[in-house]
Amino acid sequence: DIQMTQSPSSVSASVGDRVTITCRASQSISTWLAWYQQKPGKVPKVLISGTSGLRSGVPSRFSGSGSGTDFTLTISSLQPEDFATYYCQQSNSFPWTFGQGTKVEIK
Amino acid sequence: EVQLVESGGGLVKPGGSLSLSCTVSGIPFNLAWMSWVRQAPGKGLEWVGRIVSKGGGGTADYAAPVKGRFIISRDDSKNTLYLEMNSLQIEDTAVYYCTWIPKCSDGSCYLDYWGQGTLVTVSS
Repeated sequence: DIQMTQSPSSVSASVGDRVTITCRASQSISTWLAWYQQKPGKVPKVLISGTSGLRSGVPSRFSGSGSGTDFTLTISSLQPEDFATYYCQQSNSFPWTFGQGTKVEIK
Repeated sequence: EVQLVESGGGLVKPGGSLSLSCTVSGIPFNLAWMSWVRQAPGKGLEWVGRIVSKGGGGTADYAAPVKGRFIISRDDSKNTLYLEMNSLQIEDTAVYYCTWIPKCSDGSCYLDYWGQGTLVTVSS
């Protein structure tokens, strides 16, 4: 199975900060990576697919990059509504796997 | 409007069985690829399995912890996705979500539109 490792596990940041979350795959997954945001008590929401494709309705302050084994999700200017847990997920091969999550907290 | 509504969760003893349903509206369900994802209390997301459309072969793939115990199926005439869970273990306790896979090609595959989830508790 492909292991997805996110770092950091949590980050404290202020409104307006640039936040970068890293996701590393245990083997190459090409660009088969998606990012999700989950707020407390809510269902996950897809932000990015295919490593860098911003889904409809997602603010442009979110961006994704990478290929192979190393990927990043960047929030260019953190907004109050962005405080949440973020997950990466690979769909290159079965079983699909999620990272363990990164919690973005208010500093 | 796309809607996914799960049902069937509840309390079950270790070793028992439970069947979840997910009724889907707002999309051509017979063409849809669907997935189940679970989340244990206070934990992260865990992919459970995926089923393709009948036209795509109707096959299902599973995560290792559930393979051989869980079965994903669909009834396109009822726009309903199922998750049959057997030999349930305490570690299967989680909220189970059904999700739609709108696209899975060209290096991009993602889960969009999630149900509200149904809680399965495995306890003696």
